[in-house]
Amino acid sequence: AQSVTQPDIHITVSEGASLELRCNYSYGATPYLFWYVQSPGQGLQLLLKYFSGDTLVQGIKGFEAEFKRSQSSFNLRKPSVHWSDAAEYFCAVVAQGGSEKLVFGKGTKLTVNP
Amino acid sequence: GAGVSQSPSNKVTEKGKDVELRCDPISGHTALYWYRQSLGQGLEFLIYFQGNSAPDKSGLPSDRFSAERTGGSVSTLTIQRTQQEDSAVYLCASSLAGWGQGYTFGSGTRLTVV
Repeated sequence: AQSVTQPDIHITVSEGASLELRCNYSYGATPYLFWYVQSPGQGLQLLLKYFSGDTLVQGIKGFEAEFKRSQSSFNLRKPSVHWSDAAEYFCAVVAQGGSEKLVFGKGTKLTVNP
Repeated sequence: GAGVSQSPSNKVTEKGKDVELRCDPISGHTALYWYRQSLGQGLEFLIYFQGNSAPDKSGLPSDRFSAERTGGSVSTLTIQRTQQEDSAVYLCASSLAGWGQGYTFGSGTRLTVV
């Protein structure tokens, strides 16, 4: 069964610094990959998704992610973090041709220092 | 509606009582999902409805949990004889015909069993 690993439980960065959140998946074929963000007390908001084609995908709020098949990774990046980016970030995968449910990583909590 | 609506937003119940959580998906979305988010546990898949197909109940943790979806729209998640370990945020999501469009999540119901 597919699985998602987010190795970093908590990351702290300074405002204006660059950000990279790691995500690794386990699946035999190419999965469909997603990044969601959850602000405190809120539901999950879709940041971006990868299905096929260009391996660098652009999302909302200035985020991007790169799919690297050789590394089974889908890391999320932002060149300059804003204080409002403080939230929890979840990577998720759906197996192509398999069950249609999203499988989530355990999340990475981002703290932004002024 | 414009988004996925969940009610109530907060529910406190006594151990042993039954609770019903409601999800009103986006109009026209044929797929509906329930997830549970516990502290430190990430998002756990519970159940998935797609059109008139039999639901995927593989994530329901025990027979105290059940869900139905009436008329292909509103869904109710029922937890019977609640236990303290049922305390969590219950999230509902909907999508057009499965994962391809990405899911839209509601804000969740925070259930506290005392």
